[in-house]
Amino acid sequence: AQSVTQLGSHVSVSEGALVLLRCNYSSSVPPYLFWYVQYPNQGLQLLLKYTSAATLVKGINGFEAEFKKSETSFHLTKPSAHMSDAAEYFCAVSDSGAGNQFYFGTGTSLTVIP
Amino acid sequence: KAGVTQTPRYLIKTRGQQVTLSCSPISGHRSVSWYQQTPGQGLQFLFEYFSETQRNKGNFPGRFSGRQFSNSRSEMNVSTLELGDSALYLCASSLALHTNTGELFFGEGSRLTVL
Repeated sequence: AQSVTQLGSHVSVSEGALVLLRCNYSSSVPPYLFWYVQYPNQGLQLLLKYTSAATLVKGINGFEAEFKKSETSFHLTKPSAHMSDAAEYFCAVSDSGAGNQFYFGTGTSLTVIP
Repeated sequence: KAGVTQTPRYLIKTRGQQVTLSCSPISGHRSVSWYQQTPGQGLQFLFEYFSETQRNKGNFPGRFSGRQFSNSRSEMNVSTLELGDSALYLCASSLALHTNTGELFFGEGSRLTVL
């Protein structure tokens, strides 16, 4: 079975600082990896996805993630944090078998300090 | 294009009651998945429907059930509610034809409180 682990349930950064949210995956086959963001009282919105094309994936709102097979990682970064980035971030992997089942990490709450 | 619509957004029930939640996927999406989100457990997969058939099921008791209609709209039902069923229930739709590289598009969720 697939799984993802997000290191750090809470991350705080200053406005303008680098954002780094960590995600490691477990998969016996090449995975499809995703980062989602959730704002309060809302559903999840896709930030970016990796589907075995380029290892560096660019997403919305200035976020990007790099797939590193040797480290089984898919960390999310943004060079300069903005107040509007404060939200919950989820890493996810989809099952390579039949169906469309996603496995989500437990989430990382990002706080941006002015 | 309209997004995923979930109704109701908020509801309060008492233990022992049952509840039905509804989800209308994005037009053209045939896969509908349901997730339970709680502070302690994160997002837990409930089930996925594709063309009116349950294709995947998570590790939830039989009190949790769902179905999908011919227009791809889906409902989930929870019977004999327990306090622990209090959660945000998220519905997600996807094109998900024969691959699963398609991302999930989420609704805003139905927040269930069980008293």
